[in-house]
Order: sequence, then structure tokens, then C-alpha cells
Amino acid sequence: NAGVTQTPKFRVLKTGQSMTLLCAQDMNHEYMYWYRQDPGMGLRLIHYSVGEGTTAKGEVPDGYNVSRLKKQNFLLGLESAAPSQTSVYFCASSDRAYGYTFGSGTRLTVV
Amino acid sequence: GEDVEQSLFLSVREGDSSVINCTYTDSSSTYLYWYKQEPGAGLQLLTYIFSNMDMKQDQRLTVLLNKKDKHLSLRIADTQTGDSAIYFCAESFRGNTPLVFGKGTRLSVIA
Repeated sequence: NAGVTQTPKFRVLKTGQSMTLLCAQDMNHEYMYWYRQDPGMGLRLIHYSVGEGTTAKGEVPDGYNVSRLKKQNFLLGLESAAPSQTSVYFCASSDRAYGYTFGSGTRLTVV
Repeated sequence: GEDVEQSLFLSVREGDSSVINCTYTDSSSTYLYWYKQEPGAGLQLLTYIFSNMDMKQDQRLTVLLNKKDKHLSLRIADTQTGDSAIYFCAESFRGNTPLVFGKGTRLSVIA
């Protein structure tokens, strides 16, 4: 099925470890986004991309890096994980105003 | 800056109507959305409305937009236990700009 795929779905990290979350979309969308969701906080934008090779900071970018080397993929990296980065991460892509498609999320725990 | 506000909790009896309210601050918002999130799941787009519309109806869902007061509401008629979820209001300035989310309203339906 066409859509947005996030890997992995679950991950437990130790403080200081690094990891990369992968988001892949097969809809040829130009725009891609990474959000984090914390209880009572809604979804907050981490970084986004308006096209291949471009990235921009969102509301809560500290501690994260991103890359968009291929149009269909948007990678979110944590260089040195901290317990404050325990969250559920959602990726989304869009091409039209009402055409935002979300992945099913990655649940990350940092201990 | 952009801000989207929602009440955090709503409890209704099965069969009654639910009304979830949202206010936003960015008068240039062009598109307004309602998303539903069931426990442990991703975000499901329920409906959206363009800023040049006042109302949109889709089966049991009615969206009302008051641009003057920057107020958006979602009415669910004949609320069922399956409607229990968190409902997020979101706005975007124009197509393909990042969505800005409210903190979400947790709807509990009492049988």
C-alpha cells in the first residue's frame, strides 16, 4: 500500500547512544516532516524538508539532525540520546494542502 | 507566533453529540484540520476545511469555522464508544507548510 513507512517501530536506547530513524514515502511527495509527540503536548515539529537536499528547523530541533539525500527518504538522527528524547516520533509527507500522510510512529525509550 | 488551543478532556454519553473546540491565532491560516488518534496508533485525518468556508459536513461529522473569532469546532453526532480517542486540531498557512497542532482533546464516551 502506498504511504509513509517508519522504521523501526520500537527502540530502547541507553543514554549517549546514537541512532537513525528512517522515514520512506512512495507517493513522490516533495515535503516531509518529523514530529515528536509527548503526553499532553500534542505534536511538535522537529525538522522538515521542502525538497531533496533541503532541510529546515522546526520548533524543537535541538539534539536532532536530519538528512534528505533522496526524495523518498527523510532520516532523523540522534547523535547522543538523552532521556528527554523519550517520545513517539511521527514522520509525515505532503504534496497538496490536504494531502498530509502520517506514518504509524516510532516509540523510542532512552534509559 | 502560531498557536492552537484546545481543551484537554471531554466526556459524553453514548448517543449524545460531542463538540470539540479549537482556537487558533494565525489569521493567515488557510487550511484547518481535525485528526483522530486512537490509543497506540498513528494519526487519522478526519476532515479538513478551507478558510473560505464556514461549514463542512461529512456523515456524522460537522466542522464549523468562525474566522472572525478564529474558532473551529468539530461536532460528532450520535457519539459511539468507538469514537473514544484523542482529537487534534491543526492549521497550516498554505499547502505544504508544516502543520501546527493543538495539544489534543481526549474524548471519553460513556456507555
